Amino acid sequence: QKEVEQDPGPLSVPEGAIVSLNCTYSNSAFQYFMWYRQYSRKGPELLMYTYSSGNKEDGRFTAQVDKSSKYISLFIRDSQPSDSATYLCAIMSVNNNDMRFGAGTRLTVKP
Amino acid sequence: KAGVTQTPRYLIKTRGQQVTLSCSPISGHRSVSWYQQTPGQGLQFLFEYFSETQRNKGNFPGRFSGRQFSNSRSEMNVSTLELGDSALYLCASGTGGGTDTQYFGPGTRLTVL
Repeated sequence: QKEVEQDPGPLSVPEGAIVSLNCTYSNSAFQYFMWYRQYSRKGPELLMYTYSSGNKEDGRFTAQVDKSSKYISLFIRDSQPSDSATYLCAIMSVNNNDMRFGAGTRLTVKP
Repeated sequence: KAGVTQTPRYLIKTRGQQVTLSCSPISGHRSVSWYQQTPGQGLQFLFEYFSETQRNKGNFPGRFSGRQFSNSRSEMNVSTLELGDSALYLCASGTGGGTDTQYFGPGTRLTVL
């Protein structure tokens, strides 16, 4: 079993839709949770970073963490064609910078 | 502030050769991590260097090695290249603190023929 499970998609939605991206993880030692966005031929860029259970909002993006279920989500409101990219969830342990990534979900937002 | 830079951006090698990739972190960052990204395996952690010392290591064979210089720049070396080493190699820099976040470079696309 992978430490981080993420549905690779692909996911295609119309412009303006609400997008829900999800990951599950297995090891509770990982306490920091990130979402990265990766455009084609580019490196991943950090979108959201959270530590505690609950929601964290940043503009159209909301990261949600449920530590009891080991479930993390990213919601994108009013999706735009420019949101078309691969979204990677990542988890990081408390004591070091060892990170584990999900496989990434490829999202396409159609105009 | 300039971002993470990686050189070269593209590289073609043949089996059995060796290759060295370079990464310059964001100014002031002392941690550099290396990742391999492939369509099949996704993003996999190779190793992390902090203040010229390898601090963490992923599950890769000894053909993959790295080092970090006093100016925090890092190099990654792969010896005896195999076809399966074809991948995007990404480096990420961070401050190295316990709650550090990482900022990725654009990657080096390595193709092994």
